[in-house]
Amino acid sequence: SQKIEQNSEALNIQEGKTATLTCNYTNYSPAYLQWYRQDPGRGPVFLLLIRENEKEKRKERLKVTFDTTLKQSLFHITASQPADSATYLCALDTDSNYQLIWGAGTKLIIKP
Amino acid sequence: GAVVSQHPSRVICKSGTSVKIECRSLDFQATTMFWYRQFPKKSLMLMATSNEGSKATYEQGVEKDKFLINHASLTLSTLTVTSAHPEDSSFYICSATGRAKSEQFFGPGTRLTVL
Repeated sequence: SQKIEQNSEALNIQEGKTATLTCNYTNYSPAYLQWYRQDPGRGPVFLLLIRENEKEKRKERLKVTFDTTLKQSLFHITASQPADSATYLCALDTDSNYQLIWGAGTKLIIKP
Repeated sequence: GAVVSQHPSRVICKSGTSVKIECRSLDFQATTMFWYRQFPKKSLMLMATSNEGSKATYEQGVEKDKFLINHASLTLSTLTVTSAHPEDSSFYICSATGRAKSEQFFGPGTRLTVL
């Protein structure tokens, strides 16, 4: 069955450093992968989408890579700020009616 | 753009009552809406997918008679939790896709507590 893994332990990063989150998947070949941010008690907010034929995507301080050989995506936040503290979810597409398969998310804590 | 609202944001009800949650796309037409349930520190669990004007498609293990979904228009979908029990207490989130289909826009979620 399709499986997505994100580091379940919280990631603590010092302000100003680069935070890197990992999303691994198995038994699957998605056409695209997405990253979302979720704050406590709120719905997820879309951040970036990267397609299978793209190696890297950037948006301001965010960068996403997609390695279909390793079946892995890395999500980077450069010059991290305390306001970046949140849970970050990765999601992969399916062939069924645009449904997504979700990782459990990684909690990121940026310390001042 | 692409704003999705959900109402109510928080509801507390007695066991046995029914609760309706509304999901609206405010500035776009949502051809497909999704309903999720989320437990603390767990991933989003898809409950059902609904397309405007047709019956919702429920995921395995989700009781369609208990979680009634109506997608009457391109901007509104409702989830009714019927005869709610304490185990139905959870965070319910809706999302919608527009023409692009790939990206989902989420509502703020509804915290349901059944006493």
